Amino acid sequence: AQKITQTQPGMFVQEKEAVTLDCTYDTSDQSYGLFWYKQPSSGEMIFLIYQGSYDEQNATEGRYSLNFQKARKSANLVISASQLGDSAMYFCAMREDFGNEKLTFGTGTRLTIIP
Amino acid sequence: NAGVTQTPKFRILKIGQSMTLQCAQDMNHNYMYWYRQDPGMGLKLIYYSVGAGITDKGEVPNGYNVSRSTTEDFPLRLELAAPSQTSVYFCASSGRQGPSESPLHFGNGTRLTVT
Repeated sequence: AQKITQTQPGMFVQEKEAVTLDCTYDTSDQSYGLFWYKQPSSGEMIFLIYQGSYDEQNATEGRYSLNFQKARKSANLVISASQLGDSAMYFCAMREDFGNEKLTFGTGTRLTIIP
Repeated sequence: NAGVTQTPKFRILKIGQSMTLQCAQDMNHNYMYWYRQDPGMGLKLIYYSVGAGITDKGEVPNGYNVSRSTTEDFPLRLELAAPSQTSVYFCASSGRQGPSESPLHFGNGTRLTVT
């Protein structure tokens, strides 16, 4: 079974609108971390936001927030007031604490912001 | 502060040739990783290391070898290159604040073509 599922291969959003990128995950660990990375067309991987499994509040970093629903095993990224520079690939990833130091990635969502 | 440095940025290999992708980090991170990213896909883990002298296989280790003689360096060796190894290779590192809490810091990638 896929550990990280991103069901939206591509999305088009009007500039200044908010956008939600979906991510569901599968783990039997109680302790894990969820990450979102941005990959612009230049190719580098940029860390955006982190959510720990024991964090009671949703993570926020500037215009990025993470809608964490633990019972549903979802960790959706919300970008408020989208900008043209937000056009990129976005990857959700998970790191499980026990016996596994690896970060497992989803297949990504290509976000295009329309002026 | 250089972060994670990968060399070379680009390389073209003929089938059957060998090469070493270099990776160095200056953040004193214990954890280092090699991922490959095929076109339009997420990242797949090749090998990782939790400290000097310790390495382990990821999802797709066949055709690759690694070594970790120092904390700073984590080279990836391709023996007998094959067209299936055409990909973008990312090296990453992380510290340990709690294994799930540490985001990976990525290098800028090496684009490898095998023809």
